[in-house]
Amino acid sequence: GAGVSQTPSNKVTEKGKYVELRCDPISGHTALYWYRQSLGQGPEFLIYFQGTGAADDSGLPNDRFFAVRPEGSVSTLKIQRTERGDSAVYLCASSVGTTTSTDTQYFGPGTRLTVL
Amino acid sequence: AQSVTQLGSHVSVSEGALVLLRCNYSSSVPPYLFWYVQYPNQGLQLLLKYTSAATLVKGINGFEAEFKKSETSFHLTKPSAHMSDAAEYFCAVTKTSYDKVIFGPGTSLSVIP
Repeated sequence: GAGVSQTPSNKVTEKGKYVELRCDPISGHTALYWYRQSLGQGPEFLIYFQGTGAADDSGLPNDRFFAVRPEGSVSTLKIQRTERGDSAVYLCASSVGTTTSTDTQYFGPGTRLTVL
Repeated sequence: AQSVTQLGSHVSVSEGALVLLRCNYSSSVPPYLFWYVQYPNQGLQLLLKYTSAATLVKGINGFEAEFKKSETSFHLTKPSAHMSDAAEYFCAVTKTSYDKVIFGPGTSLSVIP
């Protein structure tokens, strides 16, 4: 079956511009996560959705970052006034969203954002 | 707060040799522990997961890891390295099955023919 997909795969923008990154989770998965991976580092948590609501947004670095999931499926990560330090690979993951130990996060291929 | 350390940012092994990638964690509650692998230009793939059942966890591609509470470790091993094992490996921890995952910095594995 289809996995987690992310678009675009690559995004190059100029400092100060606005960008949107899209995540399509696995069908039926109620939990959705965004992570950011800088070069040479492990992924860093940004935000977690359970259904349409953000259950944990403690990882968003500042108010330039915002994410939505209006219908509980597709999610969009929005970055305003981009800075060169925002350059990274943005990863999306989804899981069934149960409280059992078998719940596992499945990751998409990521969107590589480059801010010039 | 939870955290993960991975000793050795880069490990090289000969083809057919033992692979040992080290991971130590800190957690205030019994953790869920993971190993993920990231092949070049691919997404993160779950290798194996510890969920407080058996302390020795077997994963895909012949990898396994042992949870040792006394050492707060979750080292990843494979008896015989294959060229296709060359990748970046991440150890990770979470408090519950649906919580955010805290990743270590990663270990890059090279396999020498």
